[in-house]
Amino acid sequence: GDSVTQMEGPVTLSEEAFLTINCTYTATGYPSLFWYVQYPGEGLQLLLKATKADDKGSNKGFEATYRKETTSFHLEKGSVQVSDSAVYFCAFAKFYNQGGKLIFGQGTELSVKP
Amino acid sequence: NAGVTQTPKFQVLKTGQSMTLQCAQDMNHEYMSWYRQDPGMGLRLIHYSVGAGITDQGEVPNGYNVSRSTTEDFPLRLLSAAPSQTSVYFCASTRRDQETQYFGPGTRLLVL
Repeated sequence: GDSVTQMEGPVTLSEEAFLTINCTYTATGYPSLFWYVQYPGEGLQLLLKATKADDKGSNKGFEATYRKETTSFHLEKGSVQVSDSAVYFCAFAKFYNQGGKLIFGQGTELSVKP
Repeated sequence: NAGVTQTPKFQVLKTGQSMTLQCAQDMNHEYMSWYRQDPGMGLRLIHYSVGAGITDQGEVPNGYNVSRSTTEDFPLRLLSAAPSQTSVYFCASTRRDQETQYFGPGTRLLVL
């Protein structure tokens, strides 16, 4: 069935380190792909998205490329900051006109130390 | 705009009690959804609505009821709470022609 698999956390990095959080999905068709971020004590907010193969989503220094051949959407950032500490969720929307239903991965907690 | 608001922020229930989690949005979004977040499992869809008077089940609907009498409000009802319903609940909304979901701050529920 439809699913999203994310790299397990927690991930602990030093400030200015390079970040990769792996995400792969299983779905039929051509879903839109998302990364959401949840800062401590808050709800989720959209970080970036890509709607078709080879699209690159980017925001706040984060990037992810929609790779249809490997069904992946890995999140990267060249230099993380303490303020990036949060939980990151990979997700896809298969039928955007059916209530915007999202299938989420389990989340990856990132902790950035000064 | 307040965006998506949820009340209460935190609630403790005893097994068998009932309660309603409130969700409201002021963005005139057609679509609204309820998710639950459990450790190691991400978010799972409970119920969703594509407009006033129209609701449908998501992945984990058992034990929950919803109704949508207005565009703005989408309450989630627990008729007889069980410890397995201990979770963090998020409400979300989006426009019909968008895919980006806007989430509320969440309600943390503890069922003893």
